[in-house]
Amino acid sequence: DGGITQSPKYLFRKEGQNVTLSCEQNLNHDAMYWYRQDPGQGLRLIYYSQIVNDFQKGDIAEGYSVSREKKESFPLTVTSAQKNPTAFYLCASSIDRVTQYFGPGTRLLVL
Amino acid sequence: GIQVEQSPPDLILQEGANSTLRCNFSDSVNNLQWFHQNPWGQLINLFYIPSGTKQNGRLSATTVATERYSLLYISSSQTTDSGVYFCAVELPGAGSYQLTFGKGTKLSVIP
Repeated sequence: DGGITQSPKYLFRKEGQNVTLSCEQNLNHDAMYWYRQDPGQGLRLIYYSQIVNDFQKGDIAEGYSVSREKKESFPLTVTSAQKNPTAFYLCASSIDRVTQYFGPGTRLLVL
Repeated sequence: GIQVEQSPPDLILQEGANSTLRCNFSDSVNNLQWFHQNPWGQLINLFYIPSGTKQNGRLSATTVATERYSLLYISSSQTTDSGVYFCAVELPGAGSYQLTFGKGTKLSVIP
């Protein structure tokens, strides 16, 4: 099946810890995106990548880092510099301007 | 930056009723999309509609770009329509299909 997978479904972070969220797609899409969603809010763009080995900051990149070493993978690291990381994180990919395909999301909680 | 305002924020419908959701945006846009987020967090693209009218089954959407608003119509609502409906826009020159989301309309359809 073609699609986008995210893991884990739930993730717990301790104070001062870096954690990495996985996003994989087998749709052969060039562009990939990471969004953050807080309760009762819309999605906000963290980072995006148009092509392998290239990525750009979105609206709320502080405290996050990404890599794009392979076309199908776009992992997001939530660093200790992100002071309020509790949120729902969504990954998406696209091949054109018409549609973004979203993964099932990862819920990050701080212990 | 651009403002994307959605109304109403919450809506409760009896199954079988019709509804209209509205999205106002503060600037000219290249792209406007409607998404549905189900209660488990999965987002699905409903319409790509920078202008004009489209219909897909019980759903239809209209965007009047010159007046900076879009409407999503849901007819004969079903319990499976429950969730949050988001409007998202792309600014001219934003590049790489970056979307700015509204805060959504939470729809609850009761039997």
